[in-house]
Amino acid sequence: QVTLKESGPALVKPTQTLKLTCTFSGFSFTTPGVRVTWIRQPPGKALEWLARIDWNGDRFYSTSLKTRLTISKDTSENRVVLTITNVGPDDTGTYFCARMDGSTVVYGLDVWGQGTTVIVSS
Amino acid sequence: DIVMTQSPLSLPVTPGEPASISCRSSQSLLHSIGKNYLDWFLQKPGQPPQLLIYLGSHRAPGVPDRFSGSGSGTDFTLKISRVEAEDVGIYYCMQALQVPHTFGQGTKLEIK
Repeated sequence: QVTLKESGPALVKPTQTLKLTCTFSGFSFTTPGVRVTWIRQPPGKALEWLARIDWNGDRFYSTSLKTRLTISKDTSENRVVLTITNVGPDDTGTYFCARMDGSTVVYGLDVWGQGTTVIVSS
Repeated sequence: DIVMTQSPLSLPVTPGEPASISCRSSQSLLHSIGKNYLDWFLQKPGQPPQLLIYLGSHRAPGVPDRFSGSGSGTDFTLKISRVEAEDVGIYYCMQALQVPHTFGQGTKLEIK
């Protein structure tokens, strides 16, 4: 069974760096075609794609946020980490990680974590 | 970035009636291999999004066959043949052709 779970601080202060962790099981990041994506959702607003890391280490970022985002993976620990620097109130929201396994028939983000909620406030 | 535009943004539907959501992209999502990189998700209240349709028209495992996706290039449609109460939530399209991937604004389906 494939699962993903997000974790991170519930409250961060403006200008701080936010570190979010996606811990997964049921699949391996060494499998060609595996990708993990971070997506966020401000309260009452639409989904926003943030970043993606692929099995081969390729990384991709949101155009508007790329100077503040870093995505990395720890294959041995089955984790993907997203850091956001210099956070502000607009970074408040729920953060999801999701998986796509391009080696399977289902070519899409077929498994999501439950999300972790972050509030940016002093 | 590719801009995704959904309509309508609000969709009240009577149970048993059909429903349709449109999604348009600012660039063609048709890849040279003949596949459209357009996905549909449903986010039920208090839940993470779930994949409904991938590559424009392929239902994800476990998705009822009353859901169907169609379209090509820049115009796509999600149809529900007969809406049920459990279909309430916000529907999003997402283009997966180019990074960064981008979502539509969402369409909120509610039961009349």
